[in-house]
Amino acid sequence: NAGVTQTPKFRILKIGQSMTLQCTQDMNHNYMYWYRQDPGMGLKLIYYSVGAGITDKGEVPNGYNVSRSTTEDFPLRLELAAPSQTSVYFCASSQETGPNYGYTFGSGTRLTVV
Amino acid sequence: RKEVEQDPGPFNVPEGATVAFNCTYSNSASQSFFWYRQDCRKEPKLLMSVYSSGNEDGRFTAQLNRASQYISLLIRDSKLSDSATYLCVVNSGGYQKVTFGTGTKLQVIP
Repeated sequence: NAGVTQTPKFRILKIGQSMTLQCTQDMNHNYMYWYRQDPGMGLKLIYYSVGAGITDKGEVPNGYNVSRSTTEDFPLRLELAAPSQTSVYFCASSQETGPNYGYTFGSGTRLTVV
Repeated sequence: RKEVEQDPGPFNVPEGATVAFNCTYSNSASQSFFWYRQDCRKEPKLLMSVYSSGNEDGRFTAQLNRASQYISLLIRDSKLSDSATYLCVVNSGGYQKVTFGTGTKLQVIP
């Protein structure tokens, strides 16, 4: 199994450009998440989904949008890129929510906005 | 006070040494606890869950102290391959309340 697959691995955007970060999982997990990781900071939750058609905001949702049309895919959209969105983005999934289930992360997307 | 705090390190230890990290959390209602390992420029990977009675996985031992609100990770007989950043993760009740620490960097020296 591939697990959680993210594309692209690297991207440089100009201010004001848009892009979609792709995330696909083949583990039939209902729960999927987008996190960003900045240097010296813990991972911050951007958006999450508890199943196809259901999404909700996390701690830092401004400037991002998501959709979840299938169980497998959970793309993250940046509409008007800003330098503050320079970060490493991780998609993750879990079998269930609740206290005893850890996350499987994708390999990340390194985004630079210039 | 931060929700989850870790000593950023780095902890530089020789091969074969025993090293321990602590992680404190502020929410006394926190329900579950994990240690993740993150290699440089890689994704976090689940190392182990932390159970109330403490648990061991090979050279790794995790413990929880609810009274003092901290969890610990002990690594015995350190290997060069243990060099990584160790993230403490605390779940205070569902996907919205999962907090990641900033990590403790471990460097095992030959």
